Amino acid sequence: NAGVTQTPKFRVLKTGQSMTLLCAQDMNHEYMYWYRQDPGMGLRLIHYSVGEGTTAKGEVPDGYNVSRLKKQNFLLGLESAAPSQTSVYFCASTSGTGGIEQYFGPGTRLTVT
Amino acid sequence: ILNVEQSPQSLHVQEGDSTNFTCSFPSSNFYALHWYRWETAKSPEALFVMTLNGDEKKKGRISATLNTKEGYSYLYIKGSQPEDSATYLCAFMGFNKFYFGSGTKLNVKP
Repeated sequence: NAGVTQTPKFRVLKTGQSMTLLCAQDMNHEYMYWYRQDPGMGLRLIHYSVGEGTTAKGEVPDGYNVSRLKKQNFLLGLESAAPSQTSVYFCASTSGTGGIEQYFGPGTRLTVT
Repeated sequence: ILNVEQSPQSLHVQEGDSTNFTCSFPSSNFYALHWYRWETAKSPEALFVMTLNGDEKKKGRISATLNTKEGYSYLYIKGSQPEDSATYLCAFMGFNKFYFGSGTKLNVKP
């Protein structure tokens, strides 16, 4: 049972380049989330999904797109990377809402130069 | 945007000290309050998930309380140990979404 995995672990992009971050979970969870973590700001929700084929905006969605074509995968795309998107990105999943914990992936450190 | 505040931002204590942190959140549209422990270079790990006003949870030397009517939760660590050094995050859950505080960074000196 791998839990939540993220690919890649590190990436350096130039301004204007695009990339996709992959989050995969093997726990059959319905809910998946993408967060970014910046110094002094905790975790901020970018986008989330409540099930296969659904996506919704979080707190800071601008500049990102997501897709959930398969229940186990949640993709985060940057179409045209900007230095402001330099951050550590965490994916998380949970089986439900309310009294159920989230499980986090190991994170992806992205630097945009 | 919903505001979740944690205090203090950082805390330095000696081994054996007991300590506590505060998480403040809106008292409306409440679904759950989560506490996470986050060690450097690792992922956040859930400590407690609380849903009911007056909830109290305990795991070893760590415990938490919840007051949804006034919008706060306390996390207590009794007899801190160096291995308790980490950032402690709280997260307010509204409908399908989580809002995290910026965390309390705890450093326990031997």
